[in-house]
Amino acid sequence: DVKVTQSSRYLVKRTGEKVFLECVQDMDHENMFWYRQDPGLGLRLIYFSYDVKMKEKGDIPEGYSVSREKKERFSLILESASTNQTSMYLCASVWGLQPNTEAFFGQGTRLTVV
Amino acid sequence: EDKVVQSPLSLVVHEGDTVTLNCSYEVTNFRSLLWYKQEKKAPTFLFMLTSSGIEKKSGRLSSILDKKELFSILNITATQTGDSAVYLCAVKSNFGNEKLTFGTGTRLTIIP
Repeated sequence: DVKVTQSSRYLVKRTGEKVFLECVQDMDHENMFWYRQDPGLGLRLIYFSYDVKMKEKGDIPEGYSVSREKKERFSLILESASTNQTSMYLCASVWGLQPNTEAFFGQGTRLTVV
Repeated sequence: EDKVVQSPLSLVVHEGDTVTLNCSYEVTNFRSLLWYKQEKKAPTFLFMLTSSGIEKKSGRLSSILDKKELFSILNITATQTGDSAVYLCAVKSNFGNEKLTFGTGTRLTIIP
């Protein structure tokens, strides 16, 4: 079974702190994604990566950065957390070489910024 | 910008009813359309559709894609309380690199 693991289920951080959300997948997937999910807005794409050290901005990249130093790990970084970044964060991965395969999700990290 | 729109945003029906959820899209270089069910945490995969007119079926759930009119529907017959969830539609596109864009989701509530 493909496994996508997010490092924390719940996180509470203070405004201004630097926050790292980690995502690890064990199926050698090329493509990895970070989304945030807010009521009424669905899943919005923050950043995605199609290979090690490669990244692309999604629809709402402001206030975030990412790092992909190894194929299995994709990190989302909040440089200076703000209260409007309180949200559920979901990581997903998909096999890039096979075009018609589904994305697999981590369990999500509920981040609260106070 | 790629766009995926789901309707309705919210739906409340009685157990045993049949529901139809809608998903329309505008994306560059469409590859496939995916449906997910999300109960409490991670979305779980339901269907992937790549060709028009071919129905995918799993038990009481079925889905079909219309690539000409750029939409898909997800049908659930004889609904049960366990079908209560948020249903997400996503479109996979490829413009250099694969991208997965989600709609806002439809929150389905089944009343016993």
